[in-house]
Amino acid sequence: DAKTTQPTSMDCAEGRAANLPCNHSTISGNEYVYWYRQIHSQGPQYIIHGLKNNETNEMASLIITEDRKSSTLILPHATLRDTAVYYCIVRPRDDKIIFGKGTRLHILP
Amino acid sequence: GAVVSQHPSWVICKSGTSVKIECRSLDFQATTMFWYRQFPKQSLMLMATSNEGSKATYEQGVEKDKFLINHASLTLSTLTVTSAHPEDSSFYICSAREAYRDQPQHFGDGTRLSIL
Repeated sequence: DAKTTQPTSMDCAEGRAANLPCNHSTISGNEYVYWYRQIHSQGPQYIIHGLKNNETNEMASLIITEDRKSSTLILPHATLRDTAVYYCIVRPRDDKIIFGKGTRLHILP
Repeated sequence: GAVVSQHPSWVICKSGTSVKIECRSLDFQATTMFWYRQFPKQSLMLMATSNEGSKATYEQGVEKDKFLINHASLTLSTLTVTSAHPEDSSFYICSAREAYRDQPQHFGDGTRLSIL
């Protein structure tokens, strides 16, 4: 699996956009970028994934750089309920998910 | 959206007993299910991968005789912690992937196991 590097923690004011970076400089051509989050004492929740094009859904946007060596997850209007650990995962589409340490996002009131 | 259900959500039992945890995919067929374990303040650790109708594949360091996994149908997998001891106390989370591989992996809400 390609390794990912994420900041340990980040703060964001409620109502502002939360931009979570992820570096994956050794990503292979067949590997997707997935984002999950884990709210305290719950199972991980799927957010979004992409291969090389930017993606958007009802939860977030995923911006992948042209060289695919990094990406950014954007939560457009963060709320207190978005406080969680966010995991950036790079893997082939049908491979198992191996979790790193993720980014602990604190949404501040 | 796809839902994965785990049961029970928490369990407390005495040392030496065996505990079974169920994982069900509620609205899709899961050819592959995964079991993870998470200790406090740590990330999820993959324990094993199971494919319907075949033996589970365990990650390095995970005792297959300790953690019995059965994936008898496309909607149900079970994890049995045999002869559980206090060090087995943890948060166990299952995950399932739909038969169509372009769908993401979905997770249950976990089972908190406490062994006294």
